[in-house]
Amino acid sequence: EAQVTQNPRYLITVTGKKLTVTCSQNMNHEYMSWYRQDPGLGLRQIYYSMNVEVTDKGDVPEGYKVSRKEKRNFPLILESPSPNQTSLYFCASRGTGSSYNSPLHFGNGTRLTVT
Amino acid sequence: LAKTTQPISMDSYEGQEVNITCSHNNIATNDYITWYQQFPSQGPRFIIQGYKTKVTNEVASLFIPADRKSSTLSLPRVSLSDTAVYYCLVALLGNDMRFGAGTRLTVKP
Repeated sequence: EAQVTQNPRYLITVTGKKLTVTCSQNMNHEYMSWYRQDPGLGLRQIYYSMNVEVTDKGDVPEGYKVSRKEKRNFPLILESPSPNQTSLYFCASRGTGSSYNSPLHFGNGTRLTVT
Repeated sequence: LAKTTQPISMDSYEGQEVNITCSHNNIATNDYITWYQQFPSQGPRFIIQGYKTKVTNEVASLFIPADRKSSTLSLPRVSLSDTAVYYCLVALLGNDMRFGAGTRLTVKP
């Protein structure tokens, strides 16, 4: 089954403790992206990647890092989490090889709480 | 990158047709318009996409005027299960993809 898999689904941590949220897709997609969602603010893009070893900042990159060493994986790293990073996070991917704008496929989300 | 503007919320009743309009005044020549639906605690899912005129699939229609500065998502005969947040996204193939705040649709019995 074609899917985007995020882990963990729920995570509670303390301020300053480094964490990684993993994202993996099995559709051979070139493009991957991370979003955070907060009440009343919709989906805001954190980082995106056009392909392996190519990443770029979205709207709210501060406090986050990403890497794209393999096509299928796009982990989100919080080196020193703070309470304002408490949010619902989504990973998404899409293919870019077709002639039209192929839609994004989303994971089921990771709810992060930083105390 | 074109910025989108949608109504924050809309209410409707079961069986009615719902039209949600998205404004994207700065849309570029090669941008496509895509709509997504999101239920609570789930990732958004693709509904429909278009470039110009009208597109229809099994769940919705998308109307795009000639100037492409806006688009309207039309949901025929909505049911309670259509209660969700709907996002309009305008993006060039391969470009970063930024969502607006979305429209929260509430369908009442």
